[in-house]
This record gives sequence, C-alpha cells and structure tokens, in this order.
Amino acid sequence: GENVEQHPSTLSVQEGDSAVIKCTYSDSASNYFPWYKQELGKGPQLIIDIRSNVGEKKDQRIAVTLNKTAKHFSLHITETQPEDSAVYFCAASFGGANNLFFGTGTRLTVIP
Amino acid sequence: NAGVTQTPKFQVLKTGQSMTLQCAQDMNHEYMSWYRQDPGMGLRLIHYSVGAGITDQGEVPNGYNVSRSTTEDFPLRLLSAAPSQTSVYFCASTDRAGNTEAFFGQGTRLTVV
Repeated sequence: GENVEQHPSTLSVQEGDSAVIKCTYSDSASNYFPWYKQELGKGPQLIIDIRSNVGEKKDQRIAVTLNKTAKHFSLHITETQPEDSAVYFCAASFGGANNLFFGTGTRLTVIP
Repeated sequence: NAGVTQTPKFQVLKTGQSMTLQCAQDMNHEYMSWYRQDPGMGLRLIHYSVGAGITDQGEVPNGYNVSRSTTEDFPLRLLSAAPSQTSVYFCASTDRAGNTEAFFGQGTRLTVV
C-alpha cells in the first residue's frame, strides 16, 4: 500500500514568518493530495488539496506544490498567525478523497 | 447541516467488553469510513463503505466490525475490546467518487483498561 512520510514533526516559527511542511509518498498511482489542519479535540479539516494534473495551487496564505516525478508535495503557509498553530497532516490517495493514507503530522507553533 | 456526527465523544471500556461507536452524516454521501489516530502514527483506515450494504477492510481492520444498513449511518463495533484499541476514532464521509473533500467527525476518544 501507500506510504506517506511527513517532515518535520514539530515546527516553530515567529508570527509573520513562513512555514513549510514536506511530504513524500511511495505509490506512483496516487493522484490526490490533501492537507488537513487539526485543532485540539477536533477532527481534521481540509485546508487545501491538489490533484496530480496540477503542479501548484494557492488559496490566500496557503499554497501546495506537487512534484509527481520526485513523489513529494509541500504545504506553504505565508504570513503566519497565532491561529495557524495546530497539527497539520498530509495525505495521499488514488481516486480522490476515499481511502486516504496519512502522514504522521506536524505540530506547528506560531510564536506571537 | 450537522455534517458528520460521532457519539460518544469519550468512552472507557474494560478489556473484553464490547461497544459500538456511532457515526451519522446528513450530506447524502455514499462513501463512509473509519480511521484510528494514534500518537506519532497519523490516521489509519480501519473499514470503509461505498454504499448501503457494502463494506470493505482498510489498513487495520482486525478487531473491528462494521455494517451499513442505511446511507446515513456507519457504526463501528468492537466485539472484545483490547488495550491496543485505545485510540481516537474518526469517522469520515465523501461522495462515492471521492470528488468532494472528506468530512470528518469530531472523534471518539476510547480508552481500554
């Protein structure tokens, strides 16, 4: 099956700085790559996703890049704010948002 | 629109006890799934269903049973709880083709002592 690795496991940044989280995947058939934000005591919530026919996608301060050749994708958060502090998970799947394989998570702390 | 609702939020079981974790969605999604979340391991797929009457195993199915009698509900059963099943359980739903995002419930924190 698919194996998704995520780095770093923890990340601290100053408010206003950028944060980058990286994931690699093993199955070249995977074609859907979502990123989830999980706040304490809550379920994961989708913040952005990308499909394999696109190399980059941006939504305000959040962007995701995908390199299918190298089998890695990254989450970029610019102008970080304290409310961005949470655990972020990447995931990969074949055929959309069904049967997701998750990375191990990154705890992001934004220091005011 | 409630989305995905899980009950209970917290549960403590003794080894060998049985229980059912409930999951309901009101988005008319055909696809529903159960994940468990353990420290340092992300979320792992337990079982999933592509529609009423159809279920299949995910990555870590042992010790769990599921059934899908309606589109709305997808309960997860632990027939004989073990300490290794101590985890946070999440239910998710999406359309059958996976074209919509996966919506997750708030989770059930289960402790088996």
